[in-house]
Amino acid sequence: KAGVTQTPRYLIKTRGQQVTLSCSPISGHRSVSWYQQTPGQGLQFLFEYFSETQRNKGNFPGRFSGRQFSNSRSEMNVSTLELGDSALYLCASRADRGQGEAFFGQGTRLTVV
Amino acid sequence: AQSVTQLDSQVPVFEEAPVELRCNYSSSVSVYLFWYVQYPNQGLQLLLKYLSGSTLVKGINGFEAEFNKSQTSFHLRKPSVHISDTAEYFCAVSDPFGSGGSNYKLTFGKGTLLTVNP
Repeated sequence: KAGVTQTPRYLIKTRGQQVTLSCSPISGHRSVSWYQQTPGQGLQFLFEYFSETQRNKGNFPGRFSGRQFSNSRSEMNVSTLELGDSALYLCASRADRGQGEAFFGQGTRLTVV
Repeated sequence: AQSVTQLDSQVPVFEEAPVELRCNYSSSVSVYLFWYVQYPNQGLQLLLKYLSGSTLVKGINGFEAEFNKSQTSFHLRKPSVHISDTAEYFCAVSDPFGSGGSNYKLTFGKGTLLTVNP
């Protein structure tokens, strides 16, 4: 069974640009969550999607958005990039059951210059 | 709101020594607890989880953790570490009864960097 796949692995963007990150969950998993990891703030929850609906959202500005497609693949978008958006962005997928383990992808390393 | 405190940001140990990584959480309700490991330039891998039942939980790679409700702790232990255990370890909590998908949200501690020296 393939794991969670995130693309691209690395990105370099300029301040003010926008970026889209992609996440393909494990087959059969309908829940996809996104986390931002930085040295200063650690791992912070961005949002969670289930069956194409955003169910939960963390405390991030509106520049951070996401969506989920009918095949459960998810994208997150960051507009008007700031230097502070440089981070490792991790995607996690879970099975439907509430006790299901969250499986993480390898992440996308975003650098804003 | 839930929070997780990992009491040590760095723990250096020698190979084959025992190790304990400490984790405390703040929650007045039932919780699910997790320990994840992250190797350099990698995502997170689940080591073990506590959902209910026995307070001693065994995980992969010889790790175990003990859930202590009265002390709101979930410390991770290994009796004998290897060089390959060098990594960052994260404790996380979720609310099993949260509605609207909040039960799927993980709240993480800041992480503990375990360095195993020869």
